[in-house]
Amino acid sequence: NAGVMQNPRHLVRRRGQEARLRCSPMKGHSHVYWYRQLPEEGLKFMVYLQKENIIDESGMPKERFSAEFPKEGPSILRIQQVVRGDSAAYFCASSPLKSPEGTQYFGPGTRLLVL
Amino acid sequence: GIQVEQSPPDLILQEGANSTLRCNFSDSVNNLQWFHQNPWGQLINLFYIPSGTKQNGRLSATTVATERYSLLYISSSQTTDSGVYFCAGANNAGNMLTFGGGTRLMVKP
Repeated sequence: NAGVMQNPRHLVRRRGQEARLRCSPMKGHSHVYWYRQLPEEGLKFMVYLQKENIIDESGMPKERFSAEFPKEGPSILRIQQVVRGDSAAYFCASSPLKSPEGTQYFGPGTRLLVL
Repeated sequence: GIQVEQSPPDLILQEGANSTLRCNFSDSVNNLQWFHQNPWGQLINLFYIPSGTKQNGRLSATTVATERYSLLYISSSQTTDSGVYFCAGANNAGNMLTFGGGTRLMVKP
């Protein structure tokens, strides 16, 4: 049973470009979470999604950031017009049970560098 | 949301030593997890332990839910144990895991 998969593992963008981060949850998991880790800090929650629904986006910046989890395919975290402060590691997690119950399993992360 | 505090923030051990890491929560939790972030940045699940005691090899964890804390024990530490250890909790007031600031562990040969 493959774990949570994220791609790309590393992404370099220039200021003003768009970044698209993908997450495929573990098989059988319908709950997906995105977290951001700034350098030398802990992880901070961004958004919680189930298939085709955003359940909780209280941690998402109000502008430039969006997330989706379509019926088919991976979950996507999209950052428009990236700025240097967006440089961070973005982790996706999935769980088989509705939050907060159940273990969240984390992917390897996508390291975004904005030049 | 809940606040999570971890101690100590930094820890240096000689190979073979034992250690105890602590995690305090400001409110009751019904999801509590421990993670190891290795030097390559990968987050590894160690324990899902909202209450009770679990053991996995040289690692064990105990959560005392009524007193809002959890402990992670590392015995006979090895250099490969180096990295940052995070605890994280969640309760019905929110959907997310709230992470502590981590304990940065360095095990010297």
